[in-house]
This record gives sequence, structure tokens and C-alpha cells, in this order.
Amino acid sequence: SAVISQKPSRDICQRGTSLTIQCQVDSQVTMMFWYRQQPGQSLTLIATANQGSEATYESGFVIDKFPISRPNLTFSTLTVSNLSPEDSSIYLCSVVTSGGSLRSYEQYFGPGTRLTVT
Amino acid sequence: SQQGEEDPQALSIQEGENATMNCSYKTSINNLQWYRQNSGRGLVHLILIRSNEREKHSGRLRVTLDTSKKSSSLLITASRAADTASYFCATGRSNDYKLSFGAGTTVTVRA
Repeated sequence: SAVISQKPSRDICQRGTSLTIQCQVDSQVTMMFWYRQQPGQSLTLIATANQGSEATYESGFVIDKFPISRPNLTFSTLTVSNLSPEDSSIYLCSVVTSGGSLRSYEQYFGPGTRLTVT
Repeated sequence: SQQGEEDPQALSIQEGENATMNCSYKTSINNLQWYRQNSGRGLVHLILIRSNEREKHSGRLRVTLDTSKKSSSLLITASRAADTASYFCATGRSNDYKLSFGAGTTVTVRA
């Protein structure tokens, strides 16, 4: 497994501003992902954070709104830009710790960042 | 997009009873993972079952997988108040490491 931390744990932001969330892992990991969990909902994958290259976004998510950086194998940031109340969610990073078979990998999640947009 | 459906959506049981929740999915998978989430915080990884496995145990947890029916179940035996949480299944896709999550089951264990 891996120890994953996120900063901040929560924030209240004004409409039109941006929030950058940091995800730090205690060991080098193969894959890092960012998820969104809207109130009372399940998790939706935003993007795969690729080390040294542009993130790969899922349908419905775009780089201008959710720019992602991953400068090395232990750290990533997600920025939520031009905030609106609809962006109020929990944002979670996750990691796959080994490049084992696709059947055997486990994915671990950070503690999440609760964002409220007013 | 989500491919998992879980039922029931909510479950309320007495402490000491067993809790069973089910997860169905639509496409072929490599594995299925169960997670617990307390009070809208991070997800705790509970157990992974591979597509070629049928049953797996971990402490008070028992997971089954029926790939012919595209379904899985999570059984929590001898429930405790601390088991009160939301439980999610997530399926690992055939060609990458991404997960698709079910809608979740909210379990309340009454003392």
C-alpha cells in the first residue's frame, strides 16, 4: 500500500477563483488519478496524471477547467479553475503502486479535499 | 462513466447482524475492488478479487464474484457500530488501470 496525503483537506472558495490541490505519496507510484465526488454521489474519474506529459482526461473534463501537473513519481496537483457552486465536491487522488498485472493491482485513495464554492 | 450498480442503496441493521450488499456491472473486468468511506472522507481499500477468483475472505469480510452474472457481493459478518459507512464497488477495466465505481450502499449499524 501507500501513504497518500492531500492538501488542503478542505476549503471554501469564492466563485470565479481557482483552487489547487496537492497530492503527495510516500513512494514512487506507477499511476496517479484524480476523481471527483459530488455531494451524495459516487466517484467519477477526472483524469490520469501522467509523469512528464499532459494528463489524459475523461469525457466531460477538459484541461482548461482542471489543469493537472505531475512533475515526478510521487507528487501531483489538480487545479479547479473558474469555480462555480457546481464544483463543490470532494476531490480525491488515487495511486496504483505497482505495475503488476491488470488483474492484481490495488488502487489506494488519499483522504480527499472537500471544496465548497460560495 | 459508472458501470456498477449497487443494491440496496441503504441498509440499516442491528449490531451483531450480518450485512450483505450487491454490485452488478456491465462489461468484462480484470478485478473488482470494494472500498469503505466514512463521513465523506477518503476511501479505504477493503479487498480486491480478481476476475478468475470466485470468493475471497479478509477478517469479517467475504466477497464473492460471479463473472457469468457480472455481479459481486460483499458480506460483513457480526457488524459493529464502526462499520457504519458507505461501501463502494469499483471494477477494473480490461485494458487499463482505471476504475469505474458503483453508486454505493450506505450501511447504518444500530447499537
